[in-house]
Amino acid sequence: KAGVTQTPRYLIKTRGQQVTLSCSPISGHRSVSWYQQTPGQGLQFLFEYFSETQRNKGNFPGRFSGRQFSNSRSEMNVSTLELGDSALYLCASSPRTGSGNTIYFGEGSWLTVV
Amino acid sequence: GQQVMQIPQYQHVQEGEDFTTYCNSSTTLSNIQWYKQRPGGHPVFLIQLVKSGEVKKQKRLTFQFGEAKKNSSLHITATQTTDVGTYFCAGRASGSRLTFGEGTQLTVNP
Repeated sequence: KAGVTQTPRYLIKTRGQQVTLSCSPISGHRSVSWYQQTPGQGLQFLFEYFSETQRNKGNFPGRFSGRQFSNSRSEMNVSTLELGDSALYLCASSPRTGSGNTIYFGEGSWLTVV
Repeated sequence: GQQVMQIPQYQHVQEGEDFTTYCNSSTTLSNIQWYKQRPGGHPVFLIQLVKSGEVKKQKRLTFQFGEAKKNSSLHITATQTTDVGTYFCAGRASGSRLTFGEGTQLTVNP
């Protein structure tokens, strides 16, 4: 079974631009969550989607948004990029939402803002 | 909101020494999970603990879940260079989302 696939793997953007990152979950998984990880930092929760509905949202500004499609694929968008948005963005999927679920991470999208 | 604290933040050991990382939650957890992230890699699921006082072993790794289900530990016996990475705990309280600790970055000197 294929793992969580994130695209693009690496990208460089300029301040003020916007970026869209894509995540294809493991087949059959309906829950997708997104995390931001900066060098030496932990995993900062962005949002969680299940069946196209946002279930939870972290403490990030409104420039960060996401969505999930009917096939469970998810995208996140960051508008008006700032230098501090440079990070590894990780997507994780699980069969369902709620307690007891193991989440499986993709390899991440490395975003550099210059 | 739910907080999960993990200590130490960094740990340097000589190969062959033992290593322990501790995880504490501000609320009672339904379960706790542990993940390992190798340098340059992504977090990989190691194990999940569900029961109060549960102890699970994976070769040289021993995972414990506290009696009150608010703390957990990961102990590695006789570390090897392949153990290098950051170890994250992640806890979920009933009805809440999964919350990760800050992680413990382990370096092993050969």
